Amino acid sequence: QVQLVQSGAEVKKPGASVKVSCKTSGYTFSSYYMHWVRQAPGQGLEWMGIINPSGGSTSYTQKFQGRVTMTRDTSTSTFYMELRSLRSEDTAVYYCGRDFTGLPNLWGQGTLVTVSS
Amino acid sequence: DIQMTQSPSSLSASVGDRVTITCRASQGISNYLHWYQQKPGKAPNLLIYDASSLQSGVPSRFSGSGSETDFTLTISSLQPEDFATYYCLQSYSTLRTFGQGTKLEIK
Repeated sequence: QVQLVQSGAEVKKPGASVKVSCKTSGYTFSSYYMHWVRQAPGQGLEWMGIINPSGGSTSYTQKFQGRVTMTRDTSTSTFYMELRSLRSEDTAVYYCGRDFTGLPNLWGQGTLVTVSS
Repeated sequence: DIQMTQSPSSLSASVGDRVTITCRASQGISNYLHWYQQKPGKAPNLLIYDASSLQSGVPSRFSGSGSETDFTLTISSLQPEDFATYYCLQSYSTLRTFGQGTKLEIK
């Protein structure tokens, strides 16, 4: 069956970087784009960007331009989302979501990133 | 970016009620509007895609309508398991955007 398994929770200091992974299985890796969405505690969903597994092209929402990099490793069927220059407002659960006709449908379990001094 | 405005931000209702949530886009988005349900501690669950198509496995009491800038999600008869937060998402733009969410609470 299709699975998206994300890396574990992280605690980072302000100014540091975090790299969240999303390991996929059960489907053809190159056939589906991957979205990244985050949710701060008690807040709504925020779409961050998307990556094409074939070739690795990306699109990021302007808010994260220059701070986020989404990549993929075709050899391990894994996607990555790196966020740099972390600040307290980046404390959130980060989700990867496999694309379905242009929107995220099948989700990882989420990764809590806590930014605290 | 296309802005998505949901209303209301919260709503109290009773089991059996008919409930409508609206989502307005800052520009025309055709039918590239989708609805999710999210329960605490869980990932979102897709209910409706392309404005009015019911996702497989979703109960028929959920329905969606609208086009261009104005959209609605309707729950025809609320069930206890429907109390959750609902989000709209537009995929007209390469840069997707969610609405701010509507929290549906038990009256």
